[in-house]
Amino acid sequence: GPKVLQIPSHQIIDMGQMVTLNCDPVSNHLYFYWYKQILGQQMEFLVNFYNGKVMEKSKLFKDQFSVERPDGSYFTLKIQPTALEDSAVYFCASSLGGGSYEQYFGPGTRLTVL
Amino acid sequence: GDSVTQTEGLVTLTKGLPVMLNCTYQTTYSPFLFWYVQHLNEAPKLLLKSSTDNKRTEHQGFYATLHKSSSSFHLQKSSVQLSDSALYFCALTRNEKITFGAGTKLTIKP
Repeated sequence: GPKVLQIPSHQIIDMGQMVTLNCDPVSNHLYFYWYKQILGQQMEFLVNFYNGKVMEKSKLFKDQFSVERPDGSYFTLKIQPTALEDSAVYFCASSLGGGSYEQYFGPGTRLTVL
Repeated sequence: GDSVTQTEGLVTLTKGLPVMLNCTYQTTYSPFLFWYVQHLNEAPKLLLKSSTDNKRTEHQGFYATLHKSSSSFHLQKSSVQLSDSALYFCALTRNEKITFGAGTKLTIKP
């Protein structure tokens, strides 16, 4: 089936540094999402993105977070600066449409902030 | 806002037994409910979805019925297998946002 790719699979950085997480969504999908999951816990919505704009973001999407998809390439999540509480697995997802359309998830990027 | 409640955090069963994982929700909008399954170190994958009241939906031996009267979408299987061991999330979608429940970790023993 359709696959979402995420690069890198693991990232370890020092607190205060910048990190960019990359997502290669399904090619014809139009909606893109980021979720945060602390180990074994609930998946939490961060942000969704459509037509070059953030449509909705949660309280977890702090001012230090930003997303973009320049020229239809990777959909990125940038955190600058990072904090200890940003350590988590970040999942990217994409869907063809909004609402009831299935979201396809990538394998996740495990971010460890030291 | 929207919310999803899964009452069991951890369920352990012996292979071959039936299972029901509870899911209730709150929303002021017309609900679209999903069950996602996440195996260890893998991405969540869609298992079931429904927006039709009182209609059973099935996939891979799992089934669920959306009951709007009780705001429930419980996941069931008549005979669990070892490969069913995973994390199961109930989720509610509104527009382009999914609200996930806390998840139920299902462990199947031989």
